[in-house]
Amino acid sequence: QQQVKQSPQSLIVQKGGISIINCAYENTAFDYFPWYQQFPGKGPALLIAIRPDVSEKKEGRFTISFNKSAKQFSLHIMDSQPGDSATYFCAAKAGGFKTIFGAGTRLFVKA
Amino acid sequence: DTGVSQDPRHKITKRGQNVTFRCDPISEHNRLYWYRQTLGQGPEFLTYFQNEAQLEKSRLLSDRFSAERPKGSFSTLEIQRTEQGDSAMYLCASSLTVTVEAGGELFFGEGSRLTVL
Repeated sequence: QQQVKQSPQSLIVQKGGISIINCAYENTAFDYFPWYQQFPGKGPALLIAIRPDVSEKKEGRFTISFNKSAKQFSLHIMDSQPGDSATYFCAAKAGGFKTIFGAGTRLFVKA
Repeated sequence: DTGVSQDPRHKITKRGQNVTFRCDPISEHNRLYWYRQTLGQGPEFLTYFQNEAQLEKSRLLSDRFSAERPKGSFSTLEIQRTEQGDSAMYLCASSLTVTVEAGGELFFGEGSRLTVL
C-alpha cells in the first residue's frame, strides 16, 4: 500500500535550524496532501495541508512546497524548536476516498 | 471532551482469543476510519464508514477482522482468533465530509494498543 514514499526516516536538527521532510507519490488522482504530526502516545493530528493547484502554503513556521510535475511535496519547519520533536507523516487523498500515509519521519530538535 | 475516544487504550491477550475495540467519533462527523499502526510505520488503512455504511475494506484485512458502525454512531472493530502479528496500535479517526471534493481532515483518537502473547 506504499503509494506515498517519505524521507528521511529520521532527522536531527539544531534548535533554530530548518527541518525538511520530503514525500513523493505516484497516483495522479491524489488531490489533497496533508501533513500530520504525532507525539508519543497520541494519535496523529493535522498540521498543514495543500491542494495541487498551488505550489506553496505557509502557516506560521510550517511551509509545504508542492511540485506537481515531479509528483513531490515537502514540509519545511523554520526555526525548529525542541517542542517540534515528533513524528511527521505526509499523506495523500483522492477525492472522497481514504487517506494514505507515508512511513513517517522522526524529528529530533536538539536544544 | 468532544474528541474521538477509543476503548480500551491497552489490551493484552493470548493468541487465539477474540478482542473488540470501540470508537466513539466526534458526534457530528459522518465518516469513521480504522487504521493500524505498527512501530516505526505510518497508519495503515483498514476500513471506513460513511454513516452506517461500510464503504471500503483494505485487501490486507483478513476475514478475522470485522467492523461495524450501527446507527452511524460509534464503531467496533473485532479481531477473532488473534495472532501475534496482530499486535499493533489500532487507531480510529473521524471526519466531516460534506462533498467529495472536501479535504476531509482526519481527527484521530489516541488509539488502542493490542499485544498478543
